[in-house]
Amino acid sequence: EDKVVQSPLSLVVHEGDTVTLNCSYEVTNFRSLLWYKQEKKAPTFLFMLTSSGIEKKSGRLSSILDKKELSSILNITATQTGDSAIYLCAVAPRGSGNTPLVFGKGTRLSVIA
Amino acid sequence: DADVTQTPRNRITKTGKRIMLECSQTKGHDRMYWYRQDPGLGLRLIYYSFDVKDINKGEISDGYSVSRQAQAKFSLSLESAIPNQTALYFCATSDRDQPGETQYFGPGTRLLVL
Repeated sequence: EDKVVQSPLSLVVHEGDTVTLNCSYEVTNFRSLLWYKQEKKAPTFLFMLTSSGIEKKSGRLSSILDKKELSSILNITATQTGDSAIYLCAVAPRGSGNTPLVFGKGTRLSVIA
Repeated sequence: DADVTQTPRNRITKTGKRIMLECSQTKGHDRMYWYRQDPGLGLRLIYYSFDVKDINKGEISDGYSVSRQAQAKFSLSLESAIPNQTALYFCATSDRDQPGETQYFGPGTRLLVL
């Protein structure tokens, strides 16, 4: 059974801190890994990582895929209160035709001033 | 206008009632999904559809049914609502031709079953 595990489940930091969120996965055939940010509404897409694109960066956020360790990290530097959200990791298996994303349970990040 | 819309946004119903949640998209995507989100349990897949004639059960389909009326419309029904179906429900879409199958989410429907 395909599985995605995120850690920690929740995290509280102070503004300016750097945080690292973890995602590990077990899938039959890996296709891609995606990170989403969910504030008070629907998840919004952050990054997609594949075998040909194992590192992505956007402003203070960056993500790396480790295919050997079957894991990914999401780094946020100089955190701000606006970074407070649930961060979701999902993996797209390469199934025989049609296999939907498998989501982890998320990491709830709280950034306090 | 939002690319993925859900109606209603909030709904209160009673145990045993039949209700329908609707999802529409203007993204032209062929694939649509229904998830529910409960605190501490993340997103769980209820049903998904990869085209109009394709419907598949997800992780937690019991007590739910779906209908893909058109490429742009995917509705979720609770035939006889029960309190443990109280949750936040999301519709999502994706395009099979997009690398990695990035999913785009609607704003969610908050359902309370009394």
